Amino acid sequence: DQQVKQNSPSLSVQEGRISILNCDYTNSMFDYFLWYKKYPAEGPTFLISISSIKDKNEDGRFTVFLNKSAKHLSLHIVPSQPGDSAVYFCAAKDSGAGSYQLTFGKGTKLSVIP
Amino acid sequence: GAGVSQTPSNKVTEKGKYVELRCDPISGHTALYWYRQSLGQGPEFLIYFQGTGAADDSGLPNDRFFAVRPEGSVSTLKIQRTERGDSAVYLCASRRTEAGELFFGEGSRLTVL
Repeated sequence: DQQVKQNSPSLSVQEGRISILNCDYTNSMFDYFLWYKKYPAEGPTFLISISSIKDKNEDGRFTVFLNKSAKHLSLHIVPSQPGDSAVYFCAAKDSGAGSYQLTFGKGTKLSVIP
Repeated sequence: GAGVSQTPSNKVTEKGKYVELRCDPISGHTALYWYRQSLGQGPEFLIYFQGTGAADDSGLPNDRFFAVRPEGSVSTLKIQRTERGDSAVYLCASRRTEAGELFFGEGSRLTVL
């Protein structure tokens, strides 16, 4: 039973355009959401996060939107650059879990075409 | 070191053998995590250490898996009687207790033949 779902395994976007990566979750106890970026043969690196008390968080070209009623979040990258090509993982933290363990989605592979 | 260091980066072993994977977290990070990423999946939580003790080992799949962190810094993940299904990338991550995000190492790719 996947609690964090990334239904698009891959996405291709032209350089300079917007990339939108989507994530859905089922566990209403999740209170903190994160996006990680992963290049081949490297570990995931933290990109941006959002608390469940907010609906938007912005950091430079990256914005995360959270719709709690729909249990949906999205990552917007504007403008997309070739260096953004990577696998993006959505992750969530359970407010009831004291260990800060994260539940990850399967990832979306983003390809930004020059 | 500056980041989370994991060794070996690649390990190929035969079914039934014993394997140890090592993680050296970021200096000063008291919290340490092990995750496993199978092909086509996201990372899955295995175990969490706060200091020397395993505070949460609910993600360990069975008793063939064990992890230690005797001095509160370096951790070793131990897998006994390896099976082909154990093949995955084993990721270690650390964070400061009070705040901050998880910092992951590059992972140890385990292949069980």
